[in-house]
Amino acid sequence: NSKVIQTPRYLVKGQGQKAKMRCIPEKGHPVVFWYQQNKNNEFKFLINFQNQEVLQQIDMTEKRFSAECPSNSPCSLEIQSSEAGDSALYLCASSLQNTLYFGAGTRLSVL
Amino acid sequence: GDSVTQTEGPVTVSESESLIINCTYSATSIAYPNLFWYVRYPGEGLQLLLKVITAGQKGSSRGFEATYNKETTSFHLQKASVQESDSAVYYCALGEGAGNYKYVFGAGTRLKVIA
Repeated sequence: NSKVIQTPRYLVKGQGQKAKMRCIPEKGHPVVFWYQQNKNNEFKFLINFQNQEVLQQIDMTEKRFSAECPSNSPCSLEIQSSEAGDSALYLCASSLQNTLYFGAGTRLSVL
Repeated sequence: GDSVTQTEGPVTVSESESLIINCTYSATSIAYPNLFWYVRYPGEGLQLLLKVITAGQKGSSRGFEATYNKETTSFHLQKASVQESDSAVYYCALGEGAGNYKYVFGAGTRLKVIA
């Protein structure tokens, strides 16, 4: 079983509010990913990190999200101003040998 | 582009019957695709079920099997005899095996096994 820890499991925010979620990757896994899974089960890549540095991110993440993965602290993903369309399951995964290991996810509901 | 297409669910199967969930992929920008099956059991997170990195090889786990077929670009998931505890959502995925960190997921197939 994966040892990627995500908190909180559930998050409820109003439109315009900040929404912050955290992830502790599995020890020894060098790359950390964030995905958004919508109600149609589609996965959208958001951002990934290696050794605290951003490797890749999509435009939406760059414009509306704040993300970091400091050493010796949990990684975090924060939506600066939540919108209804941000309601989704946010999945953190860490990668070893080109294989993703997922956390249980944070389910965000934006009212 | 890169894509994964899998059996549209829900799929309902009686206990002890055989199962096949189809998965086909297109890997135009991924030079060395690795293929995966993930599973999400009710109330749980997404777990790796099996992985195959070499064309022609078969992966297996928990009674499930999948063979990486480069000719037909397929990676179908099979099980000879399902159990109620196999009820879950199954995702086929492909990933870059050469460090590009690109992964593409199918839409998932919900499996319900009835007694």
